[in-house]
Amino acid sequence: AQSVAQPEDQVNVAEGNPLTVKCTYSVSGNPYLFWYVQYPNRGLQFLLKYITGDNLVKGSYGFEAEFNKSQTSFHLKKPSALVSDSALYFCAVRAFTGGGNKLTFGTGTQLKVEL
Amino acid sequence: EPEVTQTPSHQVTQMGQEVILRCVPISNHLYFYWYRQILGQKVEFLVSFYNNEISEKSEIFDDQFSVERPDGSNFTLKIRSTKLEDSAMYFCATAGTSGRNHEQYFGPGTRLTVT
Repeated sequence: AQSVAQPEDQVNVAEGNPLTVKCTYSVSGNPYLFWYVQYPNRGLQFLLKYITGDNLVKGSYGFEAEFNKSQTSFHLKKPSALVSDSALYFCAVRAFTGGGNKLTFGTGTQLKVEL
Repeated sequence: EPEVTQTPSHQVTQMGQEVILRCVPISNHLYFYWYRQILGQKVEFLVSFYNNEISEKSEIFDDQFSVERPDGSNFTLKIRSTKLEDSAMYFCATAGTSGRNHEQYFGPGTRLTVT
């Protein structure tokens, strides 16, 4: 069975500072990894994905994530946070072999960026 | 930018009633999914649909649930006899021509309240 852990319910960061939102995963075989963001009363918006290749992937709005196979992690990062980045962030995994195409989500991390 | 749309945005129904939630996928997408998010909990996979049949379903997706694509465009989720515990936000998601490699795009959700 595949699973995702987001150990922090909330992350607070000052605007202009770097941010990290943590994610670890468990899956049989090679993983497909995704980050989604949810703004209030909105659906999930795709940010970025790791399928294969470079461990550092870049996505929308200046976000990036680093895939670390040995630590089974896929942390979301941004060099300089904006107040408008405040939202709920979800990490998700899909197995490369088996498990169909379903996404398994973490519990989400609320990011709060303050002035 | 193409979007997944869902109707209604909010549905209130009495226990035991049937509800139909509707989704209009992104044009040319071939993989369709339903997920749900109970308030305060993680996003959970319900069912995936491809080539006019269910390709995978979760334990949540019991005989009370069904999906179809009646007119080749809309993708619907029907709950035959709603229970209080069906109250949740229901998200439709669609993916491009190769579901395994493509990210899923989510609609804004339908909030279902069962009283």
